[in-house]
Amino acid sequence: AQSVTQLGSHVSVSEGALVLLRCNYSSSVPPYLFWYVQYPNQGLQLLLKYTTGATLVKGINGFEAEFKKSETSFHLTKPSAHMSDAAEYFCAVSSEYGNKLVFGAGTILRVKS
Amino acid sequence: DGGITQSPKYLFRKEGQNVTLSCEQNLNHDAMYWYRQDPGQGLRLIYYSQIVNDFQKGDIAEGYSVSREKKESFPLTVTSAQKNPTAFYLCASSITGRETQYFGPGTRLLVL
Repeated sequence: AQSVTQLGSHVSVSEGALVLLRCNYSSSVPPYLFWYVQYPNQGLQLLLKYTTGATLVKGINGFEAEFKKSETSFHLTKPSAHMSDAAEYFCAVSSEYGNKLVFGAGTILRVKS
Repeated sequence: DGGITQSPKYLFRKEGQNVTLSCEQNLNHDAMYWYRQDPGQGLRLIYYSQIVNDFQKGDIAEGYSVSREKKESFPLTVTSAQKNPTAFYLCASSITGRETQYFGPGTRLLVL
């Protein structure tokens, strides 16, 4: 079965520093991969997704992620953190039957001034 | 504008009462989903539906029921059998099960 592991339930960075949120997945079929962001008391918003083609995917708000099949990873990065990036981030993979997404447990990003 | 609406934003349930959470989408999506979110536990799938008049149990379906009589609507009923219903409930929809899910703003259910 598909699964997603997000390393680090909490990540803290200084404003202006690199943001790196880790996501590893397992999948028995070529995966579709997603990163979502959630602000307090709101729904999830899509940051970016990988389906096929170019392995470096650019998303909204300056985020990007690279699909590395050999490492079964899809880490999320942003060169320079902003205070407004403080939120919870979820990685997700499409299920092997293509009928739903499987979400990771989430990583809360804190940005220090 | 296309999107997903959930109502109400806050809902209060009394002991032994069933309550229904509304989810409507005008994105013409076939698939719809209900998730429960508790602090520190990520998203847990309650029910999902890939087509009208069909739905499947997710990981934590006990104490919940759904219907899918129209493409646009996927209401969730929290029954009295759900002993710990206090949570944030999120509805989502997608074109197909493999594609991007679009989320509503959520309903917070509290027990009186």
